[in-house]
Amino acid sequence: QVHLQESGPGLVKPSGTLSLTCSVSGDSIENPNFYWAWIRQPPGKGLEWIGSIYYSGTTYYNLSLKSRVTMSVDTSKNHFSLEMTSVTAADTAVYYCARRHSSGAWIFWFDPWGQGTLVTVSS
Amino acid sequence: SSELTQDPAVSVALGQTVRITCQGDSLRRYSVSWYQQKPGQAPVLVIYGKNSRASGIPDRFSGSSSGDTASLTITGAQAEDEADYHCNSRDSGGDHQIFGGGTKVTVL
Repeated sequence: QVHLQESGPGLVKPSGTLSLTCSVSGDSIENPNFYWAWIRQPPGKGLEWIGSIYYSGTTYYNLSLKSRVTMSVDTSKNHFSLEMTSVTAADTAVYYCARRHSSGAWIFWFDPWGQGTLVTVSS
Repeated sequence: SSELTQDPAVSVALGQTVRITCQGDSLRRYSVSWYQQKPGQAPVLVIYGKNSRASGIPDRFSGSSSGDTASLTITGAQAEDEADYHCNSRDSGGDHQIFGGGTKVTVL
């Protein structure tokens, strides 16, 4: 069974950098069938896709966050990471990692998801 | 980029049927996926593709789509179905993903 687990600081200062890691077990991050994604959810609000990464390093980012976001993959540790710079209170959210499936070019879904980690931006 | 629109909240009597909708231009081209999220928990995949149920999802959950609108139907809603439901699809503008704002389902 595939399991994803987020880790990283729960508190980041304004203007600082948010850094999170998603550890994958039960599957290889080099599995060519999947992308790996970060998704966040501000308190009381809906889900927002941050970006997706392939094991080769190919990335796709939410255009509204692209200037501040970098995703990377470490195949030796079977994990992938998120860095977000110049954070503000608006970046306070539960951050989830997930495995992205696709079937052809028209069908996509996320499964499974990690349990999520709350990151608060505050001084 | 595109948007997906969901009603903020719906209610359903125990054992009755409820339909949750998701509207957006991207749905004319790309399939929708649906996620159930209970308070304090991570989202869980419910439906993907035309009408494929994820592993472990009861058959009272079904999906459909027509034009720019996709629907998730719960036939015979149970108390444990009370949750937020989020829709998701690929953005029609590129290889990006978008989510609807979520619908809170209350089972009365």
